[in-house]
Amino acid sequence: KAGVTQTPRYLIKTRGQQVTLSCSPISGHRSVSWYQQTPGQGLQFLFEYFSETQRNKGNFPGRFSGRQFSNSRSEMNVSTLELGDSALYLCASSTDGHSNQPQHFGDGTRLSIL
Amino acid sequence: DQQVKQNSPSLSVQEGRISILNCDYTNSMFDYFLWYKKYPAEGPTFLISISSIKDKNEDGRFTVFLNKSAKHLSLHIVPSQPGDSAVYFCAASEIGNAGKSTFGDGTTLTVKP
Repeated sequence: KAGVTQTPRYLIKTRGQQVTLSCSPISGHRSVSWYQQTPGQGLQFLFEYFSETQRNKGNFPGRFSGRQFSNSRSEMNVSTLELGDSALYLCASSTDGHSNQPQHFGDGTRLSIL
Repeated sequence: DQQVKQNSPSLSVQEGRISILNCDYTNSMFDYFLWYKKYPAEGPTFLISISSIKDKNEDGRFTVFLNKSAKHLSLHIVPSQPGDSAVYFCAASEIGNAGKSTFGDGTTLTVKP
């Protein structure tokens, strides 16, 4: 079974630009969550999508948005990039996001803002 | 307010000995707890979990203990192996909300040969 795939793996942008990150969940998984990890920090929850609807949202500004498609693939968008947005962005999928089961993570997209 | 805390940023143990990683939480609504392991340049991988109705769960060399009254959980690795060297994250989620996990800052475990 293929794992969670995130593209691209690395990205360099400049302040003020916008960026779109992509995540393909494990086949059959309908819940997709996004997390941000900055150096020395744990993973901070951004949002969760299920059946093309945002079900949960973390404490991030509106510059961070996402969406989910009918095939459960998800994209995350960050507009007006700031230096502090430099981080590893991780996507995780699970069957339904309700029942007690672990999330499966991709290897992340490392975003660097110059 | 950090709801999940791992107070030890790092831990070093000798190969063959026990590794004990600790985690404290503050949110009483958490009912599902997990440990993930992360190697550099890779995403976290699930290690072991426990629901709030249990106080212990074991999987091979890995055992997780949950003390609900103290809002504390720990991960025991016995015996520790050099390949266990990684960053370990404690995570928790509320009832029916496993898609939204709250993570600790991680503990870097180094197992010396």
